[in-house]
Amino acid sequence: DAGVIQSPRHEVTEMGQEVTLRCKPISGHNSLFWYRQTMMRGLELLIYFNNNVPIDDSGMPEDRFSAKMPNASFSTLKIQPSEPRDSAVYFCASTRLTGGFSYEQYFGPGTRLTVT
Amino acid sequence: DAKTTQPNSMESNEEEPVHLPCNHSTISGTDYIHWYRQLPSQGPEYVIHGLTSNVNNRMASLAIAEDRKSSTLILHRATLRDAAVYYCFQNQGAQKLVFGQGTRLTINP
Repeated sequence: DAGVIQSPRHEVTEMGQEVTLRCKPISGHNSLFWYRQTMMRGLELLIYFNNNVPIDDSGMPEDRFSAKMPNASFSTLKIQPSEPRDSAVYFCASTRLTGGFSYEQYFGPGTRLTVT
Repeated sequence: DAKTTQPNSMESNEEEPVHLPCNHSTISGTDYIHWYRQLPSQGPEYVIHGLTSNVNNRMASLAIAEDRKSSTLILHRATLRDAAVYYCFQNQGAQKLVFGQGTRLTINP
């Protein structure tokens, strides 16, 4: 298995531009998570989906952030407009729920976003 | 969210055992104990989990106190590749992991 795939691996953009991060979960997994990691705040859960449905988006910082999961094999995290404080590493993770339960999340390599 | 407490950092020598502690003062009867680690420039990875009994896998061992208020992750022979930030959690599954600061483990050659 290829593992969780994220693209791009690095993104540099100017303030005010739209940024789209992409994630392909592991085949057969039915739950997907987006995290953000910064030196100041550590690793934070932004949003997660079960069976392509958003379950908890309480970690999404503000309306500039949006996430979609149109099918079981693809998700996007969009920031519009981007700001320098959005600079961080964004991780996607997936897992397979069995009976509504799972023990192990598999993380992707992350996308390093720099907003200038 | 359930909180755990861990030392900010620990240091050990290569090929020696490492015992990483975690306090679970607010753990409930149905919470599992999970450990993950994050190697430099990588995403976190699962290490081990348990409920009440001690657990072993190819990466590590997990020792759980009888009252479940604490756990210890044991690396039996640390290698340089084990240098990472180690996170412990208590929850009812991997649905929502709330990362704390973790323990930064340094391995000396």
